[in-house]
Amino acid sequence: ETGVTQTPRHLVMGMTNKKSLKCEQHLGHNAMYWYKQSAKKPLELMFVYSLEERVENNSVPSRFSPECPNSSHLFLHLHTLQPEDSALYLCASSPGAGGRYNEQFFGPGTRLTVL
Amino acid sequence: AQKITQTQPGMFVQEKEAVTLDCTYDTSDPSYGLFWYKQPSSGEMIFLIYQGSYDQQNATEGRYSLNFQPARKSANLVISASQLGDSAMYFCAMRHNNAGNMLTFGGGTRLMVKP
Repeated sequence: ETGVTQTPRHLVMGMTNKKSLKCEQHLGHNAMYWYKQSAKKPLELMFVYSLEERVENNSVPSRFSPECPNSSHLFLHLHTLQPEDSALYLCASSPGAGGRYNEQFFGPGTRLTVL
Repeated sequence: AQKITQTQPGMFVQEKEAVTLDCTYDTSDPSYGLFWYKQPSSGEMIFLIYQGSYDQQNATEGRYSLNFQPARKSANLVISASQLGDSAMYFCAMRHNNAGNMLTFGGGTRLMVKP
């Protein structure tokens, strides 16, 4: 596979469930990102990892827990979510976390519904 | 704080005509980058075009061009010869070059191309 892949593409979970979203990039990039896209709101950056170290956490609730075991994989662990957490969760990667022209490549997203 | 504004929530354009999608931004930093992404109904964010704040010329990529006016803090996307496949959400984003590769996104514009 090429590019950035995300699994699952769709997820429905109850508020007491624990689930994980997976992102994998096949581009040799060093930085990975999680974004949340809710209806009628701009895309919100959640987490940034550069060389497997977290460099940014935009005050995301602790019920979202990221994990970056290596530069190709990024997980978002979910537990005790709320219905307002229902959204499209997008993963992205870029060659680095700095630099002049550092385009982010996005995956197709996971559509999450919390019941 | 950075802010990106897209004032057109939705737009129609006739097939084969040109269309301009507006984007204004707010930053006090002289070094920044501006991106446009396309998001079809499948959810994936597709990179279209990039403009650096110090670039002397407006960026062009095929049918996409960026009308960059830094004095007005605007970076409008121009799509020439619209095609039915151009129907999608379009997002303007800004990267603050002193803050790594983190992007701030606008609220998006839904473009609908009429046959």
